[in-house]
Amino acid sequence: EDQVTQSPEALRLQEGESSSLNCSYTVSGLRGLFWYRQDPGKGPEFLFTLYSAGEEKEKERLKATLTKKESFLHITAPKPEDSATYLCAVQGVDNNDMRFGAGTRLTVKP
Amino acid sequence: GAVVSQHPSWVICKSGTSVKIECRSLDFQATTMFWYRQFPKQSLMLMATSNEGSKATYEQGVEKDKFLINHASLTLSTLTVTSAHPEDSSFYICSASISRNQPQHFGDGTRLSIL
Repeated sequence: EDQVTQSPEALRLQEGESSSLNCSYTVSGLRGLFWYRQDPGKGPEFLFTLYSAGEEKEKERLKATLTKKESFLHITAPKPEDSATYLCAVQGVDNNDMRFGAGTRLTVKP
Repeated sequence: GAVVSQHPSWVICKSGTSVKIECRSLDFQATTMFWYRQFPKQSLMLMATSNEGSKATYEQGVEKDKFLINHASLTLSTLTVTSAHPEDSSFYICSASISRNQPQHFGDGTRLSIL
């Protein structure tokens, strides 16, 4: 069964303090790994899809990387508006759906 | 692009009432739509997957007679919570995908409170 584990559960940063969020996964054949951002009371907002080990994608202060066992979401010089829960999900080659991790709640203090 | 609209955003109703939630893909045709349930500070739990014109596939432990899903067109899926009780109170979120290799795009969720 596909499994996704995210760490840390919660992360508090000062504005400008760079850090990384981890997503460890097990899946029998990876079709794709997805990162989403979720604000309180809202649905998840799509950020990135990674398909193969070694792939990297960037968007503003965010950079996602992928290995065969885990993915990292690097946040460079975060701002308070980056505060949100970041969700990681995987889709296996045999599945049509995604399995989500529990998320990392990021708080960036000014 | 890839906008998903979910309605209503908030429902409060009495125990025993049936509640219908709509999920629409506004600018694309979705071959597959998904329904999730989310408890406070927890991740999304997949309830069911629906494909246009066919019966929904429910996850283990989800009562199909309790949570009725209809996917009548490529842009609309509905979830009806029948005879809702307080334990059904939760945040329900839908998503839609253009195809299997594409990411899911989510609606903004429906907060359901059963009194």
